[in-house]
Amino acid sequence: DQQVKQNSPSLSVQEGRISILNCDYTNSMFDYFLWYKKYPAEGPTFLISISSIKDKNEDGRFTVFLNKSAKHLSLHIVPSQPGDSAVYFCAAMGSGSRLTFGEGTQLTVNP
Amino acid sequence: NAGVTQTPKFQVLKTGQSMTLQCAQDMNHNSMYWYRQDPGMGLRLIYYSASEGTTDKGEVPNGYNVSRLNKREFSLRLESAAPSQTSVYFCASSPRETQYFGPGTRLLVL
Repeated sequence: DQQVKQNSPSLSVQEGRISILNCDYTNSMFDYFLWYKKYPAEGPTFLISISSIKDKNEDGRFTVFLNKSAKHLSLHIVPSQPGDSAVYFCAAMGSGSRLTFGEGTQLTVNP
Repeated sequence: NAGVTQTPKFQVLKTGQSMTLQCAQDMNHNSMYWYRQDPGMGLRLIYYSASEGTTDKGEVPNGYNVSRLNKREFSLRLESAAPSQTSVYFCASSPRETQYFGPGTRLLVL
């Protein structure tokens, strides 16, 4: 079963507006969450993370929100820029160091 | 400081052929991982190594073997390639929670 799900395969936003990418998980043992960005023909690059003891983490234009009761996290990008166009993966970690990834969301930021 | 490097970048195999994908990291990380990425399926863990000398199966280990040669290097071997193993393979390493990925190897099995 898919323990980490990104239900939107794609998202299109205008430059300067907010991008909101969503991720749901089912395993209550997950206690650390990460977002990765991936450009074509490159490996995923780490973007931002959040521990389950927090509900928000911010780094520049990127903010991750965690709602443990809903088993939901989201990534906000404000303001969105054309260079943010990429596939975004959320990932979750439980015991040990194994990550479980979602399917990815293709973000397109239009100039 | 090159981070995580992978060779080759691209490979075409015939069904039944064998090959080894190489991965090396220069960040002195203890843990290393092999993933495959297929369209619409995210990244799936094949094998991982929590430390030098140890390896464990991930979500999709069938048809693969690994070797943690030393702290820097973690190789993935396909003994008898099948078309279902056509994919993009990523190696990663981590000191703790955050994993750092290589550029990937694109493998086509005919």
